[in-house]
Amino acid sequence: AQSVTQLGSHVSVSEGALVLLRCNYSSSVPPYLFWYVQYPNQGLQLLLKYTTGATLVKGINGFEAEFKKSETSFHLTKPSAHMSDAAEYFCAVSDLRGNEKLTFGTGTRLTIIP
Amino acid sequence: NAGVTQTPKFQVLKTGQSMTLQCAQDMNHEYMSWYRQDPGMGLRLIHYSVGAGITDQGEVPNGYNVSRSTTEDFPLRLLSAAPSQTSVYFCASSYRDRESGYTFGSGTRLTVV
Repeated sequence: AQSVTQLGSHVSVSEGALVLLRCNYSSSVPPYLFWYVQYPNQGLQLLLKYTTGATLVKGINGFEAEFKKSETSFHLTKPSAHMSDAAEYFCAVSDLRGNEKLTFGTGTRLTIIP
Repeated sequence: NAGVTQTPKFQVLKTGQSMTLQCAQDMNHEYMSWYRQDPGMGLRLIHYSVGAGITDQGEVPNGYNVSRSTTEDFPLRLLSAAPSQTSVYFCASSYRDRESGYTFGSGTRLTVV
């Protein structure tokens, strides 16, 4: 069975500082990994994804994530936080069988301090 | 605009009432799913479908029914609403290929009193 652990349900960073949101996964087969962002009272929007190939993937709004198989991690980073980055972020994993069972972490709420 | 449309956006039910949450997508996606989102628990899969006429249970299926008679529509039925079903419900869809992510609807906020 696959699972996702997001360390830190709340993260606060100052505007302009590095954003680091942690995600570790468990999967018995090579995973597909996703980060989604949810702004208040909205649905989830795909931020970036890793499927195969390059382990450093770039997404929208300046975010990127690196797949590290040896550490079973897929941490999300952004060099310089902006006020508009305040949202909830979800890491998710899908296995080889397809997208029908996308398993989510419990989410990390990112607060940006002016 | 292409996407996933959920109706209604808000709903209040009394315990024991039944209702159907509607979900429609116009992207010809094969996969469709229903999730519920509760504070501190992330999103949990209720039911999913890999194509018209095919559905299966997810992590928390009890108290919910689904059907998929067309590619476009995937309604979620609450048979007899309970306060424990107070939640935000999201419908999502995707292509059959493994590399695409899900497209989510904007959600239905359901309160059962």
